[in-house]
Amino acid sequence: GPKVLQIPSHQIIDMGQMVTLNCDPVSNHLYFYWYKQILGQQMEFLVNFYNGKVMEKSKLFKDQFSVERPDGSYFTLKIQPTALEDSAVYFCASSVTNERLFFGHGTKLSVL
Amino acid sequence: GDSVTQTEGQVALSEEDFLTIHCNYSASGYPALFWYVQYPGEGPQFLFRASRDKEKGSSRGFEATYDKGTTSFHLRKASVQESDSAVYYCALGLSGSFNKLTFGAGTRLAVCP
Repeated sequence: GPKVLQIPSHQIIDMGQMVTLNCDPVSNHLYFYWYKQILGQQMEFLVNFYNGKVMEKSKLFKDQFSVERPDGSYFTLKIQPTALEDSAVYFCASSVTNERLFFGHGTKLSVL
Repeated sequence: GDSVTQTEGQVALSEEDFLTIHCNYSASGYPALFWYVQYPGEGPQFLFRASRDKEKGSSRGFEATYDKGTTSFHLRKASVQESDSAVYYCALGLSGSFNKLTFGAGTRLAVCP
């Protein structure tokens, strides 16, 4: 079936550094999302993105976070600067309509 | 705010047992309800959805019926297999929210052969 690819699968960085998480969504999808999952806890919505704009964001989407999809390529989540509490697995998802979201396998971010 | 409550954090069963995972929701509008399944090292996978009262969703032997009266969407399967071992998430989505899903805490199902 359709696949969402996330690169890299694991990223380790020092606190205060910048990190960019990359997502290659399903090719004909129009809506893009980032979710955050701390180990053993539930998936939490961060942001959704449509037509080049952020449509909704949660309280977890701090000022240090930004998203973009330049020229229809990767959908990226940038964190600058990172903090210890940003350590989590970040899932990208895409969809055509509200029928279903397709999730990637996640990028595990470890902030030291 | 909108929320989803899954009563069971963990469920342990033997093969061919009957499964029930309870899901209740609270929402300001009339949500669509979903079940997703997550296997180790992967993202959640869509199982099925229902969008109106009394509608039944089903897939791979799993089923749930939307009950607006009790605000519930309980997941059931008549006979589980070891391969069903995974984390199951109930979620809701509201129209006009650009497909944002609110997930429950998840239920870890372990099925022993």
